[in-house]
Amino acid sequence: GAGVSQTPSNKVTEKGKYVELRCDPISGHTALYWYRQSLGQGPEFLIYFQGTGAADDSGLPNDRFFAVRPEGSVSTLKIQRTERGDSAVYLCASSLMAVPSSPLHFGNGTRLTVT
Amino acid sequence: AQSVTQPDIHITVSEGASLELRCNYSYGATPYLFWYVQSPGQGLQLLLKYFSGDTLVQGIKGFEAEFKRSQSSFNLRKPSVHWSDAAEYFCAVGAPGTSYDKVIFGPGTSLSVIP
Repeated sequence: GAGVSQTPSNKVTEKGKYVELRCDPISGHTALYWYRQSLGQGPEFLIYFQGTGAADDSGLPNDRFFAVRPEGSVSTLKIQRTERGDSAVYLCASSLMAVPSSPLHFGNGTRLTVT
Repeated sequence: AQSVTQPDIHITVSEGASLELRCNYSYGATPYLFWYVQSPGQGLQLLLKYFSGDTLVQGIKGFEAEFKRSQSSFNLRKPSVHWSDAAEYFCAVGAPGTSYDKVIFGPGTSLSVIP
């Protein structure tokens, strides 16, 4: 596919469960970003990767959230002991380089609902 | 740190009418400025961006925006709205020299178009 792919598109889980959200960036894009978008809000930065390493994880709300990108391509956002407040749309984006002059391409998001 | 506001939560316009969506930012110097559009079920798409130079920026889909330093604004305009423009619009501000992890998104303006 030509764009950023996120799976699943929807995820419903019970409070306390563990979830994994996957992002397939555009091939060749070195920078990958995760955002969280709550209802009626703009995207909120969580973490970004330059290659395999997390260049900035300052947006992760607490230690229940973790993300990996082991081979510098696909990334997984992991949430432990989910809480109802984690319900949101999780967006992934990638860019060729980690500079604003390099356009950011967004996926369609994963809607997470914690019951 | 920079911040951004979008004073209008929701706007309704008739098809064919002109459109202006407001965006105000707070930053100590000239920031990077972006407008993104998010159609239902779709990822965010970049409409246009301003880094420096000509303060009137042309974007895709017939949109334009004007950077006004004196008003700390970057309003989005379109002379004639089409029904397909109904979507959520996000203004974003970033600090020059930094990456997208430092880009702050506004809360968005929801646009409805009356046929």
